[in-house]
Amino acid sequence: SQQGEEDPQALSIQEGENATMNCSYKTSINNLQWYRQNSGRGLVHLILIRSNEREKHSGRLRVTLDTSKKSSSLLITASRAADTASYFCATVSPGGGADGLTFGKGTHLIIQP
Amino acid sequence: KAGVTQTPRYLIKTRGQQVTLSCSPISGHRSVSWYQQTPGQGLQFLFEYFSETQRNKGNFPGRFSGRQFSNSRSEMNVSTLELGDSALYLCASSPLAGEETQYFGPGTRLLVL
Repeated sequence: SQQGEEDPQALSIQEGENATMNCSYKTSINNLQWYRQNSGRGLVHLILIRSNEREKHSGRLRVTLDTSKKSSSLLITASRAADTASYFCATVSPGGGADGLTFGKGTHLIIQP
Repeated sequence: KAGVTQTPRYLIKTRGQQVTLSCSPISGHRSVSWYQQTPGQGLQFLFEYFSETQRNKGNFPGRFSGRQFSNSRSEMNVSTLELGDSALYLCASSPLAGEETQYFGPGTRLLVL
């Protein structure tokens, strides 16, 4: 079953603009991760934020986590055409991830050159 | 290090047949997980193997099975294929069981006719 729900489902912006995607989840988590997928290929891990963290940065990526609202956001600054991809949030439940990663349905991001 | 490899990359089968997909993890990684990705259901966890033992399993029928070999390579098998089994099957590896970050292969795209 899906844990996360990304919002929006699709996003089209101009190159150079910032892109923000949101993810909501239903149950308690150990951590939340964001992955990128290009054209139906494998997923690439972007960033992980633990349940006791509120914000994390990695290069042009900024992730926030609000466990009280069970939500996270991914901000990509100064977007590039190469950022065009689908972005998924994935949660790991407490207890060692026995259920694997639980993914949302993803946001399809299109960067217009 | 070489990444996760999956073979074959594309496969066409007919209903009722069975199929075996193969995954070679990153060298030194002992955990292998499998996921199914479809447009309707998104990414769903199938199972995880660690040290040749199935550690946990997602909510899939018994037609879906897998195994892991002593060199950590893994195979998954789907018997009595149904049209709904058409999907991208993704394999992911990690150094240990229950690791938070997983490294995905390019996937095997299965089409059932």
